[in-house]
Amino acid sequence: AQKITQTQPGMFVQEKEAVTLDCTYDTSDQSYGLFWYKQPSSGEMIFLIYQGSYDEQNATEGRYSLNFQKARKSANLVISASQLGDSAMYFCAMREGTRGGSYIPTFGRGTSLIVHP
Amino acid sequence: DTEVTQTPKHLVMGMTNKKSLKCEQHMGHRAMYWYKQKAKKPPELMFVYSYEKLSINESVPSRFSPECPNSSLLNLHLHALQPEDSALYLCASSQEEYTRYEQYFGPGTRLTVT
Repeated sequence: AQKITQTQPGMFVQEKEAVTLDCTYDTSDQSYGLFWYKQPSSGEMIFLIYQGSYDEQNATEGRYSLNFQKARKSANLVISASQLGDSAMYFCAMREGTRGGSYIPTFGRGTSLIVHP
Repeated sequence: DTEVTQTPKHLVMGMTNKKSLKCEQHMGHRAMYWYKQKAKKPPELMFVYSYEKLSINESVPSRFSPECPNSSLLNLHLHALQPEDSALYLCASSQEEYTRYEQYFGPGTRLTVT
């Protein structure tokens, strides 16, 4: 079973509008971390935002916010006021404690976001 | 400075060649990672070093040999690769190898095996 599921292979959004990228996860650990990364066509993965499993409030970083619903095991990324430079692949990732104390990062399949002018 | 550098940016090698990829970070991070990424796929974890010791080897073929000479440097030695090893190789680092630490990635090396 997939640990991280991103059900939207591709998304389109108009410039200046908000967009939500979906992510659900599967873990039996109580302590875990959820991350979103952006990968433009140049290839470099850029860290966007982090949510810890014990964090009560949703994380925010500038135009990025993470809609964390623990009971539903979902960690959706919301990008407000989309810009053309937001066009990229977006990966949801999780770190949980597994295998003798190593915290293996697991990535979803990604969502390709295209921002139209 | 949240920079991870990787050299070379591009590499073309034959199946009998030996080459090395280099990764460097000066953020004082104690965990470093190698990933392999095929086009339009998520990165696949290959190796994790924690405090300069190999922590995870995700059953990677022995033609890939990692090395961590010091806390800032990570190498990936390549020997007798196959064409299917052509991919983007990403290096990353994080403060520690725990749940709360994000990873910082380098720009990657695009490897082509001919």
